[in-house]
Amino acid sequence: DVKVTQSSRYLVKRTGEKVFLECVQDMDHENMFWYRQDPGLGLRLIYFSYDVKMKEKGDIPEGYSVSREKKERFSLILESASTNQTSMYLCASSLGGFGETQYFGPGTRLLVL
Amino acid sequence: AQKVTQAQTEISVVEKEDVTLDCVYETRDTTYYLFWYKQPPSGELVFLIRRNSFDEQNEISGRYSWNFQKSTSSFNFTITASQVVDSAVYFCALSEGGAGNMLTFGGGTRLMVKP
Repeated sequence: DVKVTQSSRYLVKRTGEKVFLECVQDMDHENMFWYRQDPGLGLRLIYFSYDVKMKEKGDIPEGYSVSREKKERFSLILESASTNQTSMYLCASSLGGFGETQYFGPGTRLLVL
Repeated sequence: AQKVTQAQTEISVVEKEDVTLDCVYETRDTTYYLFWYKQPPSGELVFLIRRNSFDEQNEISGRYSWNFQKSTSSFNFTITASQVVDSAVYFCALSEGGAGNMLTFGGGTRLMVKP
C-alpha cells in the first residue's frame, strides 16, 4: 500500500511566522504535489516536483516555496504566514508516467491567527 | 471555462437509495485519464478509480459503478444501495498529460446518506 504521511494534522501559527509542512512518501514515487483546499474553491495546486531538487509552480504559488532534497520528502514553506493562508493542505505523490494515480496524505489543517 | 464540472454541489439521500454523481469534463486531447476520489470527514482523499480515454467500458466494483461516455464527455459515478459510510465529498479529476502529471479537479459533490 502507498503511504503518504504529513507531519501534522492540525497546526496553529501566528501571522508572520515561518511555517514548514512536511510530506513523506514510502513508494519511491518520482512526483510529489502540494495542494490547498478551500470551501467553494476545491483543490488548487500550489507546487509540484518531478525529481529531487526540481520544482514547478502550480496554479497558486504566491506566498509559498518548496524544497525537495530527498526523493521521499517534499516540504512546503510559508515564508511569512498570513491569515489568508488558513486552509487545508494536502500532499500527494505519484509515479512519473502520464496518467499515474496520485495518492494523498491525510492533510494538514493550518490556522493562521 | 472549467475543465471538470461537478454540477451537483450537495446531494442528500436516505440509506439504501441509489445515487449518481455527475462529472463532465472538457479536453482537446485524445489521450487523457479520468479519476474519482472520495474524501470522508477525516480529510484524506482516497483513490477510487482511474480510467483512460481509450477504455469506455463501464466498471463495477461492489456497490460502485462508473459510466464513461466520450460522446457526452461524462464520467458518472453511481453508488447502489447507499450506506451511511458513503457520506463524503467526491471529486472527479482529469489528467491531460504534460509536465508533472497534473490533475485538474472538479469542485466536488458532498453526499450525505441519512439512516
